Amino acid sequence: GAVVSQHPSRVICKSGTSVKIECRSLDFQATTMFWYRQFPKKSLMLMATSNEGSKATYEQGVEKDKFLINHASLTLSTLTVTSAHPEDSSFYICSARDPRQLVEKLFFGSGTQLSVL
Amino acid sequence: AQKITQTQPGMFVQEKEAVTLDCTYDTSDPSYGLFWYKQPSSGEMIFLIYQGSYDQQNATEGRYSLNFQKARKSANLVISASQLGDSAMYFCAMRVNNAGNMLTFGGGTRLMVKP
Repeated sequence: GAVVSQHPSRVICKSGTSVKIECRSLDFQATTMFWYRQFPKKSLMLMATSNEGSKATYEQGVEKDKFLINHASLTLSTLTVTSAHPEDSSFYICSARDPRQLVEKLFFGSGTQLSVL
Repeated sequence: AQKITQTQPGMFVQEKEAVTLDCTYDTSDPSYGLFWYKQPSSGEMIFLIYQGSYDQQNATEGRYSLNFQKARKSANLVISASQLGDSAMYFCAMRVNNAGNMLTFGGGTRLMVKP
């Protein structure tokens, strides 16, 4: 089946630094990828929709300048958390739809646990 | 706006027994899709089953079946013959066709299978 790879799986950084998270579709091309955030024992909240070759679409309340999204190719989207703050500590997970699939299910990466000290 | 509700924060089931995880949804759009995902402690989201709003029959995938009651706007997941490996968080999600491919998730249900 379709595979979405997310890297790194875990990252610890200092406050004020930037962290980049990569999301790759390994065997299909994804014009659209989605970035979710999940707090402990909570559900997934959509942060933004990443569009290949154009600007990302952010959900209400998500700071565009803080969570930079780049979708430079059909297989790669990146989320950069800029000037990280302890409040940004969370589980971030990306997803993409395999256009070859008849059922429009999303495939998810394995997630990134971000801890900001 | 779309909304997904999972009223069971946690559930216990005895190994080898069946269990039903509840999910209700709300949308005014006639065309939508309903999904169930499993999230083990490792964090990955694993697709389990899909039901389209126009599908006449309930979806089934191995030990998973979806009890789709459109008039009640419910899409409960039934897991038959529970296994210890089924212990995980389970999320119900909905995609409305005229709202792109984004999924709206319910709050999740933690299932614990007892040996």
